[in-house]
Amino acid sequence: NAGVTQTPKFQVLKTGQSMTLQCAQDMNHEYMSWYRQDPGMGLRLIHYSVGAGITDQGEVPNGYNVSRSTTEDFPLRLLSAAPSQTSVYFCASTRRASGGDEQFFGPGTRLTVL
Amino acid sequence: GESVGLHLPTLSVQEGDNSIINCAYSNSASDYFIWYKQESGKGPQFIIDIRSNMDKRQGQRVTVLLNKTVKHLSLQIAATQPGDSAVYFCAEGTQKLVFGQGTRLTINP
Repeated sequence: NAGVTQTPKFQVLKTGQSMTLQCAQDMNHEYMSWYRQDPGMGLRLIHYSVGAGITDQGEVPNGYNVSRSTTEDFPLRLLSAAPSQTSVYFCASTRRASGGDEQFFGPGTRLTVL
Repeated sequence: GESVGLHLPTLSVQEGDNSIINCAYSNSASDYFIWYKQESGKGPQFIIDIRSNMDKRQGQRVTVLLNKTVKHLSLQIAATQPGDSAVYFCAEGTQKLVFGQGTRLTINP
């Protein structure tokens, strides 16, 4: 199992550019989510999905779009990048269990918007 | 709104000593809490969790204590090792996690 994979690991964008952060998991988890982590802060939820074809907003959704066409993939799209979106982005996949949910995080994408 | 906060942004301990990292939360309805470890350049890694119907849960060298009366939880790491150096986050919720800001644990030789 590769677990949760994210690409790219690093990206530099100019203000106004668009791009897609890729996330994939091979654990057949229904639930996936995207977080951003700013320096010295905890993670904040951007968007999440409870299964293929279903997405919803988290705490900080503005400026981001998601889609979930398959169970495995959950891409995050930046429509028009802004310096405020400079952050580290983590994708997570959740294993549901009766005792509690366990989230598996990818290695992150470090994004800089100039 | 919901919030989760850690008491200290940094903690420095001697190798071999026990470490205690504290966290407070505001939502009295929260019923599930998780501690994560994040090493430099990596994503958070699950350490241990606890449900609100429990006061204590133990893992390998780690113990989580939950005090619902004062809305406080702590992570205790026994016999701290150099490999424990990381940022530790508490989080509450299930699928939609709310994270605290993190405590950076530094181990002194």
